[in-house]
Amino acid sequence: DGGITQSPKYLFRKEGQNVTLSCEQNLNHDAMYWYRQDPGQGLRLIYYSQIVNDFQKGDIAEGYSVSREKKESFPLTVTSAQKNPTAFYLCASSMLVAVNNEQFFGPGTRLTVL
Amino acid sequence: AQSVTQLGSHVSVSEGALVLLRCNYSSSVPPYLFWYVQYPNQGLQLLLKYTSAATLVKGINDFEAEFKKSETSFHLTKPSAHMSDAAEYFCAVSVNTGGFKTIFGAGTRLFVKA
Repeated sequence: DGGITQSPKYLFRKEGQNVTLSCEQNLNHDAMYWYRQDPGQGLRLIYYSQIVNDFQKGDIAEGYSVSREKKESFPLTVTSAQKNPTAFYLCASSMLVAVNNEQFFGPGTRLTVL
Repeated sequence: AQSVTQLGSHVSVSEGALVLLRCNYSSSVPPYLFWYVQYPNQGLQLLLKYTSAATLVKGINDFEAEFKKSETSFHLTKPSAHMSDAAEYFCAVSVNTGGFKTIFGAGTRLFVKA
């Protein structure tokens, strides 16, 4: 079954800690994305990657970091520099061909800062 | 720059009634348009997409949307609401500006009354 997996489903972080959210896809997609979702604000792009070993900042990259060492994997680290990290985080992937630019989403990780 | 506006953060309908969720976009180049649905604590799923082939697009679960260039709209409709349609719906626009960027609307939460 092809798809995107995210882990963990729920994550709790103490202030000052870095945490890493996992995202894996077996769709053979070139592009991968991380979004943050807050109530009433839709999805905001954190980082995206179109090719292995390359990634670009989105609209709200401050306090986050990513890596893309393998095509299938795009982990997101929420650093202690992110002052308000409590949110729902969504990973997505897509092909880069025009008509197939629909994004496929993982089930999400809900991060809560204690 | 492109943008998406979803009119109404909340829409309530009775079971069996028409569903109409409004989406207006702004884009300087021909857009690709999408509607996604999100159930609580889950990722987004694609309902339908407009990729310039036909202006009336049919999606899953009897949803459809019509692209109206003159009105810059892409409203989502369903003839008869079902309780299982209660969810949050996101309109999105994607344009090719040397690489695809997708902008999501703020979302509309649909409530279905028995």
